Formats: sequence, structure tokens, C-alpha cells
Amino acid sequence: GAVVSQHPSRVICKSGTSVKIECRSLDFQATTMFWYRQFPKKSLMLMATSNEGSKATYEQGVEKDKFLINHASLTLSTLTVTSAHPEDSSFYICSARGRVRLAGSHSYEQYFGPGTRLTVT
Amino acid sequence: GQQVMQIPQYQHVQEGEDFTTYCNSSTTLSNIQWYKQRPGGHPVFLIQLVKSGEVKKQKRLTFQFGEAKKNSSLHITATQTTDVGTYFCAVPSGGGADGLTFGKGTHLIIQP
Repeated sequence: GAVVSQHPSRVICKSGTSVKIECRSLDFQATTMFWYRQFPKKSLMLMATSNEGSKATYEQGVEKDKFLINHASLTLSTLTVTSAHPEDSSFYICSARGRVRLAGSHSYEQYFGPGTRLTVT
Repeated sequence: GQQVMQIPQYQHVQEGEDFTTYCNSSTTLSNIQWYKQRPGGHPVFLIQLVKSGEVKKQKRLTFQFGEAKKNSSLHITATQTTDVGTYFCAVPSGGGADGLTFGKGTHLIIQP
């Protein structure tokens, strides 16, 4: 169990357009989801924490009006990059945290999606 | 916010040699997690350490959490080509949320 999916896996868009990325927990309910971005050969940087039914909490330096997050259900969070520019090109990864039943126990660890590679031209 | 230093950034080893990556924090950590990211892939959870002085093993991987809970290490014995990837430590970012602050990662390159 504990599978997180992201869609799309890759997207190329023109400068000035908006792009929506979906993150789904497939076999568990995720009370909290996180959005990270990763530049080539760099580490992951936490962008925001998304809680179901409430506003997202953004990390310092992340523009909330540019990166819109919606967590409408316990299995879906979306990240919309508005008015994308070439500098927004990056690998966006979500993770989901929830109570996952494993063999004989429960786990609260984070499970990462496969990532979405965004290229803005 | 929370910061964690990870070294080395790159490590070249011959297949069969051992490998170690280290993470250090200036503050006491509640826990530390380790992830592996294969080239082109996403981070995969390896383990979480919580207790002071904790040592956990997964086959050829040994994870340690320092007595002061400020440092941790991941050691791989007799590396294999399948161990190639980037190993990240991650610590709670603080602020009441469960987001993670990742170390810069150690890129493990194995020469056959």
C-alpha cells in the first residue's frame, strides 16, 4: 500500500500560461500533503504544506499567489503554477502523510509521488 | 527554519567498497529520515531514526543517530551498482508542520 500518484508526469507550457499538477494518494487518506520543488542535481525544497479543507501554509519566499494549492479531499491536492515563467521550470514533487496500515502496524511516514517535470518555454 | 548539513556532496567508489554519508544539525532533532533517489526518480523512504544512539540495519545499510541527536550517518557495506543514486537525510522543518527539510544529498557514483 501507500502509493502516491502525480499527473502529469511531464508538461511543457508557454510563458504566461498556468499549469495544474495533481497529487493523489491512491490507497490511503492523506490528512496532509506537501509540495516540494527540485532543481537539477539539487536537493528538494519544501514549498508548502497542504491540509485538507484548510488553507495551505507556505514556506518563506514562496509566493502563494503564484503557486495556488487546493486540498479539496483527503486523497487529492493540486498545485497550480500561475503565469508560469522559464525560471519556474523545475521538478515538482508532492508527498502525502497519512495513517497507513502496514502488516501488523501503522505508519505515519511521508510517501512521495513520482514528480512532475515542468518546462516553461 | 531548520537546517541540516550533509557531506560529502559526491562520492566515487569502486564496486565492493564501502560508502558513508553524514548529516549534521546545530540543534537537537526529534527525528531524522533517510531517502534514496535514483537518477530520474523520486525520493524513496529508507528509514526514520528517533532514539538517541539508535542504530538500525537494512541488509548492507547501517543507519546511526548520534547520542546528542544532532548527527546521523548512513553506511553501505560492499557497494553494488544498484546502490547508485542520491542519498538524502531529512529532518522536520519545524513550525508545527510535518514538512521536511532535506540535506543537499550525497551523490553515490559506483565504478565497476
